[in-house]
Amino acid sequence: DADVTQTPRNRITKTGKRIMLECSQTKGHDRMYWYRQDPGLGLRLIYYSFDVKDINKGEISDGYSVSRQAQAKFSLSLESAIPNQTALYFCATSDFRYTSGQETQYFGPGTRLLVL
Amino acid sequence: EDQVTQSPEALRLQEGESSSLNCSYTVSGLRGLFWYRQDPGKGPEFLFTLYSAGEEKEKERLKATLTKKESFLHITAPKPEDSATYLCAVRIYWQGGSEKLVFGKGTKLTVNP
Repeated sequence: DADVTQTPRNRITKTGKRIMLECSQTKGHDRMYWYRQDPGLGLRLIYYSFDVKDINKGEISDGYSVSRQAQAKFSLSLESAIPNQTALYFCATSDFRYTSGQETQYFGPGTRLLVL
Repeated sequence: EDQVTQSPEALRLQEGESSSLNCSYTVSGLRGLFWYRQDPGKGPEFLFTLYSAGEEKEKERLKATLTKKESFLHITAPKPEDSATYLCAVRIYWQGGSEKLVFGKGTKLTVNP
């Protein structure tokens, strides 16, 4: 089974609709992230969470919100979807090591979202 | 402004034809450089982390190196299954004492049999 899973894998929605993308992990990591990927652009950080009570905005958080329901679950919501939120969305976890300050991020399979 | 630039954007090789991908960066306070492989419709797959100039890491036909300004991903005798987009990312200090990854746009590698 995959360590980081995302649901749904594909989603088509209409402008103005509220949708939620879900992420679950079995890696036991505290830190979780949401990114979006657009053609011709690098991955960009939307939100990140260092633990259940610590949630922070990333570079492009406008129009998005998140919920960290448990250590293993981190959901991304689009409150009122718009066409320019059409993108590939990735969840990631990291194995941050306090002793060294080093970490590696591991990505889920992605959710392809189309907003009409 | 922190920037990561990957070149070339696309590279076509014949099977067995070795080459290198480049990742140059202008950031303040590098906290690690990462290489990922991404297949179409899938999430990035972690390959390597490099932390200091002169460091090298190897895995099968791939070898990553790091200098103070750039990193190279060398591919020796590539096979068609090496075809993918290779992403470079640098970890930098960011807001509130946290850190973040800054990604390049990737190099799309195609290896023809």
